[in-house]
Amino acid sequence: DAKTTQPTSMDCAEGRAANLPCNHSTISGNEYVYWYRQIHSQGPQYIIHGLKNNETNEMASLIITEDRKSSTLILPHATLRDTAVYYCIVRVGNSGYALNFGKGTSLLVTP
Amino acid sequence: DTAVSQTPKYLVTQMGNDKSIKCEQNLGHDTMYWYKQDSKKFLKIMFSYNNKELIINETVPNRFSPKSPDKAHLNLHINSLELGDSAVYFCASSQGVAANTGELFFGEGSRLTVL
Repeated sequence: DAKTTQPTSMDCAEGRAANLPCNHSTISGNEYVYWYRQIHSQGPQYIIHGLKNNETNEMASLIITEDRKSSTLILPHATLRDTAVYYCIVRVGNSGYALNFGKGTSLLVTP
Repeated sequence: DTAVSQTPKYLVTQMGNDKSIKCEQNLGHDTMYWYKQDSKKFLKIMFSYNNKELIINETVPNRFSPKSPDKAHLNLHINSLELGDSAVYFCASSQGVAANTGELFFGEGSRLTVL
């Protein structure tokens, strides 16, 4: 699986958009980008995933650059409950391997 | 209804003891996983089962033995507990060994403390 690089921590004001970047410059053509988050003391929660097109769901938007070497997770209107560690994971979509979590980005949403 | 449930949620025990953590999912998934999250918060895959068959076995001491009596359950038994086994253990499930959607459903975790 391709390696990902994320900032260690970020801050965001409540109500503003939170933009979380992820670099995956060694991504290969059949690898998807997945985003999960882990709120303190809870199990990780799936957010969104994509291959090359931008994706949007009720939780977030995923913007993948044209060369697929980086992506951004966007939480359009961050709330205090979005404070969590966000993990960007790259993995072949149709494989028998589990997702491997890196260090992630600790997002703090402030009032 | 909790989709993926683990018991116990907290477990405190002495070094050298044997303990088990149980996991059940009611999502109808056929693949289940055990992850370990240590004090540095790294979340690492330990095992994965698909339809009761072991498909992933990372470099984990053989003191750890997963058991899947049916595809809705994946239990983790740990023998001769060591201080370094202290961690939060997460169970997860997904539909299909390929986990095509990439969507894993996690339990709330079982915090193991070895004294």
